Amino acid sequence: DAGVTQSPTHLIKTRGQQVTLRCSPKSGHDTVSWYQQALGQGPQFIFQYYEEEERQRGNFPDRFSGHQFPNYSSELNVNALLLGDSALYLCASSGSRSRNTGELFFGEGSRLTVL
Amino acid sequence: AQSVAQPEDQVNVAEGNPLTVKCTYSVSGNPYLFWYVQYPNRGLQFLLKYITGDNLVKGSYGFEAEFNKSQTSFHLKKPSALVSDSALYFCAVGSGGSYIPTFGRGTSLIVHP
Repeated sequence: DAGVTQSPTHLIKTRGQQVTLRCSPKSGHDTVSWYQQALGQGPQFIFQYYEEEERQRGNFPDRFSGHQFPNYSSELNVNALLLGDSALYLCASSGSRSRNTGELFFGEGSRLTVL
Repeated sequence: AQSVAQPEDQVNVAEGNPLTVKCTYSVSGNPYLFWYVQYPNRGLQFLLKYITGDNLVKGSYGFEAEFNKSQTSFHLKKPSALVSDSALYFCAVGSGGSYIPTFGRGTSLIVHP
């Protein structure tokens, strides 16, 4: 049973560029949440996708956008990258049993470095 | 708004000794509480949760946590620490009003041989 998979694992971008990160949820899960984890900090909620729509959003600017596909996989897009966007981006999935409790299954993350 | 406080940036304990990692929370309504562990350069792994029921919750790898409503705490404990328990531990809180959990800043647990 595959868990949550994310790609790429590492990437380096320069300021002003755009980046797309990808996530496939755990088998049987239909909800994907994205988190940003800056160095030395806890994960900060970016947004959650369910039924191909953004359901909830954290305190992140519109430069952060996402998408969910019919197979439940998801993308996170960040435009006009800033140095402060350097972080570990975590994807977490949940399903019908875990969605209403907040229990999350995390991927290994995509580490973004902005130079 | 919901929030979590992990008052210790780092906890040091000798192998074989009991360990406690502290967590306090603030939330409107009944809390959903979680502990996750993160090893270096890895994602978070679920350890245990409290939704309702018995205040003492048992989880993975011999960890347990005690929900204390009056003190709004959910401390993580283990009777006998292992060197392999060394990692970053995150407490998180959600509620019926927001199923999106809010995470604390994390506590680094270091178990010395």
